[in-house]
Amino acid sequence: QVTLKESGPTLVKPSETLTLTCTVSGLSLSDSRVAVSWIRQPPGKALEWLGNIFSNDEKIYNVSLSSRLTISKDISKRQVVLTMTNMDPVDTATYYCARIGVLRGILMDFFDPWGQGTLVAVSS
Amino acid sequence: QSVLTQPPSVSGAPGQRVTISCTGSNSNIGAGSDVHWYQRLPGTAPKLVIYDNNNRPSGVPDRFSGSKSGTSASLAITGLQADDEAEYYCQSLDITLSHVVFGGGTALTVL
Repeated sequence: QVTLKESGPTLVKPSETLTLTCTVSGLSLSDSRVAVSWIRQPPGKALEWLGNIFSNDEKIYNVSLSSRLTISKDISKRQVVLTMTNMDPVDTATYYCARIGVLRGILMDFFDPWGQGTLVAVSS
Repeated sequence: QSVLTQPPSVSGAPGQRVTISCTGSNSNIGAGSDVHWYQRLPGTAPKLVIYDNNNRPSGVPDRFSGSKSGTSASLAITGLQADDEAEYYCQSLDITLSHVVFGGGTALTVL
């Protein structure tokens, strides 16, 4: 069974850097069929895709946030890390990591499964 | 404003059928991008219930179905049950933005 779980601070101050960790189980981050995404949802607003990391370490980011985002992974720890710089109150959101769906060995454009999410508030 | 538009809420009595719409544009659904649907029960992670417009993952009851036409898609739930009460989100790929986009979510209330 594949599971993902997010962890990190629940409160950061404006201008600080947020670091969140997604710990995966039931799969290997070196498997070519494995890619992980970060997605967030501000309170009362829509889900927003942040970025992906693939088994070959390729990353793609939401262009609107790319200057602030870094996604990395540690295969041995089974962890995917999201770093977001210069946090602002508008970045207050529930942050999710999710596996990019796979059909017949091909990466798709849906997400399955998701982690439970972690709520991060940005406030002084 | 979400790129994909969903009604904020829908409701239905147990046993009834409800549909949730998802309206996009020629940059996403209308461009041929597939639509996927997620269910988020209170306090839980989003769960994929429909992928590629009308396919159910293993374990999702056949009471759930999806359809797509033009720039819109729909999720239908028949035989409504109390534990269907959740938020539902649609998702597609926007070719202009070059990334996935989501609807704003629809809260389903089982009366």
